[in-house]
Amino acid sequence: DVKVTQSSRYLVKRTGEKVFLECVQDMDHENMFWYRQDPGLGLRLIYFSYDVKMKEKGDIPEGYSVSREKKERFSLILESASTNQTSMYLCASLDRDQPQHFGDGTRLSIL
Amino acid sequence: GQNIDQPTEMTATEGAIVQINCTYQTSGFNGLFWYQQHAGEAPTFLSYNVLDGLEEKGRFSSFLSRSKGYSYLLLKELQMKDSASYLCAVKGPDSWGKLQFGAGTQVVVTP
Repeated sequence: DVKVTQSSRYLVKRTGEKVFLECVQDMDHENMFWYRQDPGLGLRLIYFSYDVKMKEKGDIPEGYSVSREKKERFSLILESASTNQTSMYLCASLDRDQPQHFGDGTRLSIL
Repeated sequence: GQNIDQPTEMTATEGAIVQINCTYQTSGFNGLFWYQQHAGEAPTFLSYNVLDGLEEKGRFSSFLSRSKGYSYLLLKELQMKDSASYLCAVKGPDSWGKLQFGAGTQVVVTP
């Protein structure tokens, strides 16, 4: 079974802090994705990566950056956290035409 | 871009059948996914349709009509554990496996 692990289930940070959300997958997948999920809006794509050191903006990249130094790890960075970034963050990975596999999510609160 | 619509909430009784509709307007289409998401958990893959017609998997079936931009997920013999959010997601034409999600349909199963 594919395992996508997100480092924290719950996280509380303060406005202006730099926040790192980590995601690790164990199936050597090339493509990895970061989404945020908000009530009534569904999952929205922030960034994705199709290879080490490669990244592409999704639909809502503003205020975020990403890092993919190793194939198995994809990090989402909030450069200066703001209250409107309070959300559930979901990481996913996939291989070729297979379905995306999701981590359990990180519920992030920015105070 | 893509516009994906599905009902916000549906309620049904245990043992009944529920049909969740999803309509989409896309600039490119390469398949449609259905995911199930229980509260506080990761979305899990249910079905994938790329050709017109019905795909059946046990109690769950999914249908696609590409000409109408329409899909439905059919849940038969409802069980209490089927109470969850059901996400419709369209795969775009690129090779990276990006998905565009609807807002999700919350299904409530009552005794």
